[in-house]
Amino acid sequence: DAGVIQSPRHEVTEMGQEVTLRCKPISGHNSLFWYRQTMMRGLELLIYFNNNVPIDDSGMPEDRFSAKMPNASFSTLKIQPSEPRDSAVYFCASNRRAGVAGELFFGEGSRLTVL
Amino acid sequence: GESVGLHLPTLSVQEGDNSIINCAYSNSASDYFIWYKQESGKGPQFIIDIRSNMDKRQGQRVTVLLNKTVKHLSLQIAATQPGDSAVYFCAESDRGSTLGRLYFGRGTQLTVWP
Repeated sequence: DAGVIQSPRHEVTEMGQEVTLRCKPISGHNSLFWYRQTMMRGLELLIYFNNNVPIDDSGMPEDRFSAKMPNASFSTLKIQPSEPRDSAVYFCASNRRAGVAGELFFGEGSRLTVL
Repeated sequence: GESVGLHLPTLSVQEGDNSIINCAYSNSASDYFIWYKQESGKGPQFIIDIRSNMDKRQGQRVTVLLNKTVKHLSLQIAATQPGDSAVYFCAESDRGSTLGRLYFGRGTQLTVWP
């Protein structure tokens, strides 16, 4: 079975550019989470969706960050404009049951470097 | 519910020895806990979970112990192998109120020496 699929795996961009990260959750999973990982702050939850509806976006650092989930099989995380401090690994994860904590299945991550 | 931490940031063990990774949590309402393993360049992978109505749960070479009195969680790895070298995270949830959210600790780096 295919796991959570993220793209791109690596992105290097210049400050001020728009960055779009993409995620395809596991088919049949009803919750989707976006995390950011840095050495300094560890794994931070940015936003999560239950049944395609954003539940908690309090972790989104600034208005420069936005996330969408137009359907059950696709989500995007957009940073516009990007800044060097946004450099991190961004993980997408999905969970089978919406609203109930359980095993999160993580993608391989998107490593973002903003110069 | 967001204060999940680890006693030791790094742990080095010799191959074949047993490893114990500890985790403290602060939310007494947390009733579900998970351990994840993250290898370099990869996403976290599920190892084992435990609900608060249990004190101990065993998997293949791994055991999770939960002490609710002192809000402490540990992961024991038997006969540690080089392939166990990774960062290990504990995560907690109060399933009654957090709508599916897991709170992650900072992680412990386990290094296994041959």
